[in-house]
Amino acid sequence: QSVLTQPPSVSGAPGQSVTISCTGTNSNIGAGYDVHWYQQLPGTAPKFIIYGNTNRPSGVPDRISGSKSGTSASLVITGLQAEDEADYYCQSYDTILGGSLFGGGTKLTVL
Amino acid sequence: EVQLVESGGGVVKPGGSLRLSCTASGFTFRSYSMSWVRQAPGKGLEWVSYISRSSTYIYDADSVRGRFTTSRDNAKNSMYLQMNSLRVEDTATYYCARPRDVTGTTDAFDLWGQGTVVTVSS
Repeated sequence: QSVLTQPPSVSGAPGQSVTISCTGTNSNIGAGYDVHWYQQLPGTAPKFIIYGNTNRPSGVPDRISGSKSGTSASLVITGLQAEDEADYYCQSYDTILGGSLFGGGTKLTVL
Repeated sequence: EVQLVESGGGVVKPGGSLRLSCTASGFTFRSYSMSWVRQAPGKGLEWVSYISRSSTYIYDADSVRGRFTTSRDNAKNSMYLQMNSLRVEDTATYYCARPRDVTGTTDAFDLWGQGTVVTVSS
């Protein structure tokens, strides 16, 4: 069972916005560790889309953004497009685990 | 081209062993710590292990500790995962991953291999 909790699924129509939450504890996000986000298309390796809570790697559109507050983080995707349909994972470091921790993943469906 | 390529996956019986390899190219492998991450069929990502640049520090997830051993050979630009006492629940695609920052303890993974599939079944 993931210690980083994400909603199993979210959905939105093209052009709309969705928010994916990632809730942790005081041993990971709440301890000040950065949160990173990945997009995974079916049959492919994950691709990082947000690092250090809010930073976008080059090539990631600015309609994708991240934030962090307290023991939680959020990924917001605005102007939904069909190509955004994928699984999304948050990641942080956990002091109890002594290593990286991933959320359970959220399946984004573009209606 | 900057890439990671995993190999060594296959089908093995419970209790068996397998050794995975991850070969890097296009970047200075010895400068980066590295990790293994796995994904069971239809499930989420699970961090498996971390190895520092000079192999000084190696950390494992509780689920594999005592059964899996991570190592690297910087002269061969390669990292390895020796998996012993395999269980059905170890069935997964195994990825090697490089952190964005060279120390990589808490950073995002900016480079992933294509994955190698391990199936543990009788």
